[in-house]
Amino acid sequence: SQKIEQNSEALNIQEGKTATLTCNYTNYSPAYLQWYRQDPGRGPVFLLLIRENEKEKRKERLKVTFDTTLKQSLFHITASQPADSATYLCALVTGADKLIFGTGTRLQVFP
Amino acid sequence: NAGVTQNPKFQVLKTGQSMTLQCAQDMNHNSMYWYRQDPGMGLRLIYYSASEGTTDKGEVPNGYNVSRLNKREFSLRLESAAPSQTSVYFCASSESGTGGWSGELFFGEGSRLTVL
Repeated sequence: SQKIEQNSEALNIQEGKTATLTCNYTNYSPAYLQWYRQDPGRGPVFLLLIRENEKEKRKERLKVTFDTTLKQSLFHITASQPADSATYLCALVTGADKLIFGTGTRLQVFP
Repeated sequence: NAGVTQNPKFQVLKTGQSMTLQCAQDMNHNSMYWYRQDPGMGLRLIYYSASEGTTDKGEVPNGYNVSRLNKREFSLRLESAAPSQTSVYFCASSESGTGGWSGELFFGEGSRLTVL
């Protein structure tokens, strides 16, 4: 069956460190992979998109990698801050108008 | 710019009651979506509308109906609510899904529904 897996356990890190979140998928060949941020009680907000022919994408303190051979994306936040605490969702674009989401990983950054 | 607006924000229903969740977007997007989010299950697509006048089933359409009233509005109806439909419902919109679509979605703030 088709699955998108994110670590269901919360990731707790100290302020200033790099947070790394993982998204693994099976039985998909996505054209794009996206990452969203979701704060408690709010809707998800788009952060970054990476295409299948791109290895890495950066935006300020955020970096995303996409390995189509391993079927994995890594999401990095460098110099993390308490304000980065949220749940992060990966999503795959599997065809026109179709976006499939992972279950999300909660990140907690401690001062 | 309001983006995607959902109403109501909170609703409590009794089993068997019906209700409609309203969604409107002001970004002139062609595609609109309804997702539900449950603990441990992530966001699951209920129905989507690629353009005005069209609707299609997503992953979990049973027990729901939708109406794409016009380009701005996309409603979700529960005809006979069941406790299994207790969830947080999100409406989203995006630019056209055809030809090189990258899929960025813009979400509303959610509608929290409890069915007793």
